[in-house]
Amino acid sequence: KQEVTQIPAALSVPEGENLVLNCSFTDSAIYNLQWFRQDPGKGLTSLLLIQSSQREQTSGRLNASLDKSSGRSTLYIAASQPGDSATYLCAVDSWGKLQFGAGTQVVVTP
Amino acid sequence: GAGVSQSPRYKVAKRGQDVALRCDPISGHVSLFWYQQALGQGPEFLTYFQNEAQLDKSGLPSDRFFAERPEGSVSTLKIQRTQKEDSAVYLCAPHRGAGRITGELFFGEGSRLTVL
Repeated sequence: KQEVTQIPAALSVPEGENLVLNCSFTDSAIYNLQWFRQDPGKGLTSLLLIQSSQREQTSGRLNASLDKSSGRSTLYIAASQPGDSATYLCAVDSWGKLQFGAGTQVVVTP
Repeated sequence: GAGVSQSPRYKVAKRGQDVALRCDPISGHVSLFWYQQALGQGPEFLTYFQNEAQLDKSGLPSDRFFAERPEGSVSTLKIQRTQKEDSAVYLCAPHRGAGRITGELFFGEGSRLTVL
Protein backbone atom coordinates (compact mmCIF):
# COMPACT_ATOMS: atom_id res chain seq x y z
CA LYS A 1 0.00 0.00 0.00
CA GLN A 2 1.35 3.38 -0.98
CA GLU A 3 2.22 5.65 1.94
CA VAL A 4 2.94 9.35 1.38
CA THR A 5 4.69 11.37 4.08
CA GLN A 6 5.39 15.08 4.33
CA ILE A 7 7.90 16.38 6.81
CA PRO A 8 7.85 18.81 8.52
CA ALA A 9 4.18 19.15 9.33
CA ALA A 10 4.64 22.89 9.85
CA LEU A 11 7.23 25.46 8.86
CA SER A 12 7.69 29.15 9.55
CA VAL A 13 10.15 31.31 7.62
CA PRO A 14 10.82 35.04 7.29
CA GLU A 15 9.87 36.71 4.05
CA GLY A 16 12.52 36.40 1.34
CA GLU A 17 13.86 33.02 2.44
CA ASN A 18 13.62 30.04 0.13
CA LEU A 19 11.16 27.31 1.11
CA VAL A 20 12.01 23.62 0.84
CA LEU A 21 9.12 21.18 1.26
CA ASN A 22 9.66 17.43 1.30
CA CYS A 23 7.47 14.55 0.18
CA SER A 24 8.35 10.87 0.39
CA PHE A 25 6.48 7.82 -0.87
CA THR A 26 7.00 4.12 -0.28
CA ASP A 27 6.13 2.59 -3.66
CA SER A 28 8.21 3.89 -6.56
CA ALA A 29 5.69 2.55 -9.12
CA ILE A 30 4.01 5.91 -9.59
CA TYR A 31 2.61 7.42 -12.76
CA ASN A 32 3.00 11.05 -11.74
CA LEU A 33 3.24 13.33 -8.71
CA GLN A 34 1.29 16.51 -8.16
CA TRP A 35 1.81 19.38 -5.73
CA PHE A 36 -1.17 21.34 -4.42
CA ARG A 37 -1.72 24.41 -2.33
CA GLN A 38 -4.64 24.74 0.08
CA ASP A 39 -5.68 27.96 1.78
CA PRO A 40 -7.72 27.74 5.01
CA GLY A 41 -11.30 26.71 4.31
CA LYS A 42 -10.65 26.41 0.59
CA GLY A 43 -10.27 23.65 -1.96
CA LEU A 44 -7.06 22.44 -3.56
CA THR A 45 -5.16 24.49 -6.12
CA SER A 46 -2.87 22.53 -8.42
CA LEU A 47 0.67 23.93 -8.52
CA LEU A 48 2.80 21.48 -10.50
CA LEU A 49 2.56 18.05 -12.07
CA ILE A 50 5.66 15.92 -12.61
CA GLN A 51 5.35 12.87 -14.84
CA SER A 52 7.25 9.80 -13.67
CA SER A 53 9.67 10.16 -16.60
CA GLN A 54 10.61 13.71 -15.56
CA ARG A 55 13.10 14.75 -12.92
CA GLU A 56 11.84 18.28 -12.37
CA GLN A 57 9.20 20.81 -13.31
CA THR A 58 9.25 24.58 -12.96
CA SER A 59 6.60 27.27 -12.80
CA GLY A 60 7.66 30.80 -11.90
CA ARG A 61 9.17 30.77 -8.39
CA LEU A 62 8.23 27.12 -7.95
CA ASN A 63 10.46 24.18 -8.79
CA ALA A 64 9.63 20.57 -8.02
CA SER A 65 12.04 17.66 -8.32
CA LEU A 66 11.29 13.96 -8.43
CA ASP A 67 13.56 11.03 -7.58
CA LYS A 68 11.47 7.92 -8.10
CA SER A 69 14.17 5.47 -7.10
CA SER A 70 14.50 7.01 -3.64
CA GLY A 71 10.80 7.79 -3.35
CA ARG A 72 11.21 11.52 -2.89
CA SER A 73 9.98 14.81 -4.26
CA THR A 74 10.95 18.29 -3.16
CA LEU A 75 9.10 21.54 -3.79
CA TYR A 76 11.25 24.66 -3.76
CA ILE A 77 9.66 28.09 -3.50
CA ALA A 78 12.13 30.89 -4.14
CA ALA A 79 12.06 34.22 -2.33
CA SER A 80 9.02 33.44 -0.20
CA GLN A 81 6.28 36.03 0.31
CA PRO A 82 3.56 36.32 2.96
CA GLY A 83 1.07 35.33 0.25
CA ASP A 84 2.78 31.94 0.06
CA SER A 85 1.39 31.11 3.50
CA ALA A 86 -0.80 28.03 3.03
CA THR A 87 -0.74 24.26 3.38
CA TYR A 88 1.14 22.43 0.65
CA LEU A 89 0.19 18.86 -0.20
CA CYS A 90 1.85 16.36 -2.45
CA ALA A 91 -0.05 13.50 -4.07
CA VAL A 92 1.16 10.51 -6.05
CA ASP A 93 -0.86 8.86 -8.78
CA SER A 94 -0.64 5.27 -7.73
CA TRP A 95 -2.77 2.87 -9.79
CA GLY A 96 -5.18 5.45 -11.08
CA LYS A 97 -5.95 7.42 -7.94
CA LEU A 98 -4.14 10.09 -6.00
CA GLN A 99 -2.67 9.25 -2.61
CA PHE A 100 -2.04 12.38 -0.56
CA GLY A 101 0.35 13.31 2.19
CA ALA A 102 -0.99 15.16 5.23
CA GLY A 103 0.58 18.41 4.07
CA THR A 104 3.07 20.96 5.34
CA GLN A 105 1.59 24.12 6.83
CA VAL A 106 3.73 27.10 5.85
CA VAL A 107 3.76 30.54 7.44
CA VAL A 108 5.83 33.28 5.85
CA THR A 109 6.29 36.18 8.27
CA PRO A 110 6.75 39.74 6.97
CA GLY B 1 -11.28 27.34 -11.81
CA ALA B 2 -11.61 23.58 -11.85
CA GLY B 3 -14.66 23.51 -14.12
CA VAL B 4 -16.73 22.01 -11.38
CA SER B 5 -19.17 23.31 -8.80
CA GLN B 6 -20.05 21.58 -5.57
CA SER B 7 -23.10 22.15 -3.43
CA PRO B 8 -23.90 22.82 -0.73
CA ARG B 9 -20.65 24.50 0.24
CA TYR B 10 -21.53 24.07 3.90
CA LYS B 11 -23.89 21.60 5.52
CA VAL B 12 -24.67 21.14 9.19
CA ALA B 13 -26.49 17.92 9.99
CA LYS B 14 -27.74 16.38 13.19
CA ARG B 15 -26.40 12.94 13.92
CA GLY B 16 -28.60 10.36 12.23
CA GLN B 17 -29.72 12.68 9.44
CA ASP B 18 -29.19 11.77 5.77
CA VAL B 19 -27.26 14.19 3.56
CA ALA B 20 -26.65 14.51 -0.17
CA LEU B 21 -23.69 16.33 -1.66
CA ARG B 22 -23.65 17.31 -5.30
CA CYS B 23 -20.79 17.60 -7.80
CA ASP B 24 -21.58 19.29 -11.12
CA PRO B 25 -18.70 19.26 -13.62
CA ILE B 26 -18.72 21.07 -16.93
CA SER B 27 -19.31 18.75 -19.87
CA GLY B 28 -16.60 16.53 -21.34
CA HIS B 29 -15.27 14.97 -18.14
CA VAL B 30 -15.29 11.21 -18.51
CA SER B 31 -13.89 10.50 -15.06
CA LEU B 32 -14.92 11.77 -11.66
CA PHE B 33 -13.30 11.23 -8.27
CA TRP B 34 -14.65 11.84 -4.76
CA TYR B 35 -12.31 12.46 -1.84
CA GLN B 36 -12.85 13.02 1.88
CA GLN B 37 -10.62 15.40 3.82
CA ALA B 38 -10.76 15.34 7.60
CA LEU B 39 -9.47 18.34 9.54
CA GLY B 40 -5.69 18.56 9.42
CA GLN B 41 -5.35 15.59 7.08
CA GLY B 42 -4.74 15.06 3.40
CA PRO B 43 -7.67 14.01 1.22
CA GLU B 44 -8.53 10.32 1.16
CA PHE B 45 -9.92 8.57 -1.91
CA LEU B 46 -13.56 7.53 -1.70
CA THR B 47 -14.76 6.46 -5.13
CA TYR B 48 -14.19 6.76 -8.88
CA PHE B 49 -16.60 6.94 -11.83
CA GLN B 50 -15.92 6.50 -15.50
CA ASN B 51 -18.98 7.97 -17.18
CA GLU B 52 -21.91 6.48 -15.25
CA ALA B 53 -20.03 3.38 -14.11
CA GLN B 54 -18.68 3.31 -10.58
CA LEU B 55 -15.44 1.43 -11.19
CA ASP B 56 -13.86 1.78 -7.78
CA LYS B 57 -15.61 2.28 -4.46
CA SER B 58 -12.91 0.82 -2.31
CA GLY B 59 -12.49 4.01 -0.27
CA LEU B 60 -16.08 4.35 0.92
CA PRO B 61 -15.75 4.00 4.71
CA SER B 62 -19.02 2.17 5.34
CA ASP B 63 -22.24 1.05 3.71
CA ARG B 64 -23.80 4.32 4.86
CA PHE B 65 -21.93 6.00 2.01
CA PHE B 66 -23.37 5.78 -1.47
CA ALA B 67 -22.41 7.59 -4.68
CA GLU B 68 -24.03 7.74 -8.07
CA ARG B 69 -23.55 9.39 -11.45
CA PRO B 70 -26.58 8.18 -13.41
CA GLU B 71 -26.05 10.16 -16.63
CA GLY B 72 -22.28 10.37 -16.56
CA SER B 73 -22.23 14.03 -15.59
CA VAL B 74 -23.56 15.23 -12.24
CA SER B 75 -22.62 13.04 -9.29
CA THR B 76 -24.18 12.80 -5.86
CA LEU B 77 -22.55 11.47 -2.72
CA LYS B 78 -25.12 10.38 -0.16
CA ILE B 79 -24.41 9.68 3.46
CA GLN B 80 -27.10 7.93 5.45
CA ARG B 81 -27.51 8.16 9.21
CA THR B 82 -24.62 10.60 9.58
CA GLN B 83 -22.18 10.18 12.44
CA LYS B 84 -19.80 12.70 13.99
CA GLU B 85 -16.84 11.01 12.34
CA ASP B 86 -18.35 11.86 8.94
CA SER B 87 -17.53 15.54 9.57
CA ALA B 88 -15.09 16.48 6.82
CA VAL B 89 -14.73 18.32 3.55
CA TYR B 90 -15.90 16.27 0.58
CA LEU B 91 -14.03 17.08 -2.60
CA CYS B 92 -14.90 16.24 -6.15
CA ALA B 93 -12.44 16.13 -9.05
CA PRO B 94 -13.55 15.60 -12.65
CA HIS B 95 -11.04 14.50 -15.27
CA ARG B 96 -11.27 14.44 -19.04
CA GLY B 97 -9.33 11.20 -19.41
CA ALA B 98 -10.39 7.67 -18.61
CA GLY B 99 -8.41 5.16 -16.60
CA ARG B 100 -5.04 6.65 -15.74
CA ILE B 101 -4.96 10.25 -14.57
CA THR B 102 -3.13 11.66 -17.58
CA GLY B 103 -2.66 15.18 -16.38
CA GLU B 104 -3.31 17.51 -13.51
CA LEU B 105 -6.33 16.74 -11.37
CA PHE B 106 -8.37 19.82 -10.51
CA PHE B 107 -10.61 19.86 -7.49
CA GLY B 108 -13.80 21.68 -6.68
CA GLU B 109 -14.11 23.95 -3.63
CA GLY B 110 -15.61 21.10 -1.65
CA SER B 111 -18.62 20.61 0.60
CA ARG B 112 -17.88 21.03 4.28
CA LEU B 113 -20.06 18.72 6.37
CA THR B 114 -20.39 19.19 10.11
CA VAL B 115 -22.32 16.57 12.04
CA LEU B 116 -23.49 17.64 15.49
